[in-house]
Amino acid sequence: EAGVAQSPRYKIIEKRQSVAFWCNPISGHATLYWYQQILGQGPKLLIQFQNNGVVDDSQLPKDRFSAERLKGVDSTLKIQPAKLEDSAVYLCASRKGEGANTEAFFGQGTRLTVV
Amino acid sequence: AQSVTQLDSHVSVSEGTPVLLRCNYSSSYSPSLFWYVQHPNKGLQLLLKYTSAATLVKGINGFEAEFKKSETSFHLTKPSAHMSDAAEYFCVVSDRGYSTLTFGKGTMLLVSP
Repeated sequence: EAGVAQSPRYKIIEKRQSVAFWCNPISGHATLYWYQQILGQGPKLLIQFQNNGVVDDSQLPKDRFSAERLKGVDSTLKIQPAKLEDSAVYLCASRKGEGANTEAFFGQGTRLTVV
Repeated sequence: AQSVTQLDSHVSVSEGTPVLLRCNYSSSYSPSLFWYVQHPNKGLQLLLKYTSAATLVKGINGFEAEFKKSETSFHLTKPSAHMSDAAEYFCVVSDRGYSTLTFGKGTMLLVSP
């Protein structure tokens, strides 16, 4: 079974520029998550989708971050404009079904450096 | 609301000695609990999960964890550390509501020869 695919793997941008990340979850997985992992910290949830609906975006900085999940499959996360503190690894994960019992599968992440 | 506290930011052991990584959780519902491992520049990999079946859970690479409801703990153990176990370990809680996954801050396991 193919895993969660993310691109790009690395991105370096200047502050105030915009950037977008892409995630392709495992086929058939209804739940999709975007996490932000700052160096030395645990992943922090940015947004959770159930199919193409948003379940939780309470920690998403909506003045600069946006995310969508087209047709309940692929997802993109955008930052505009980027700040220095956005430097982090952005992780996408997917999970089958709605229940809490199943494990989530994570992509390799996109490492963003804002200079 | 759910939360996870990993009690140690770093744990150092010698190869061949036991490993104990501590995790306490808080959840409004009967939770599911997970341990994930993250090797440098690698993705997060599931070690084991508790989902209200047996309280002692066995995972990959000889790791196991015990769910103790009375202590709200889910500590990770391994009888004998190997050099390849050096990595960062995350305890994760998921409640039965919207299945949000909440991570602890992580414990870095250092293994010396």
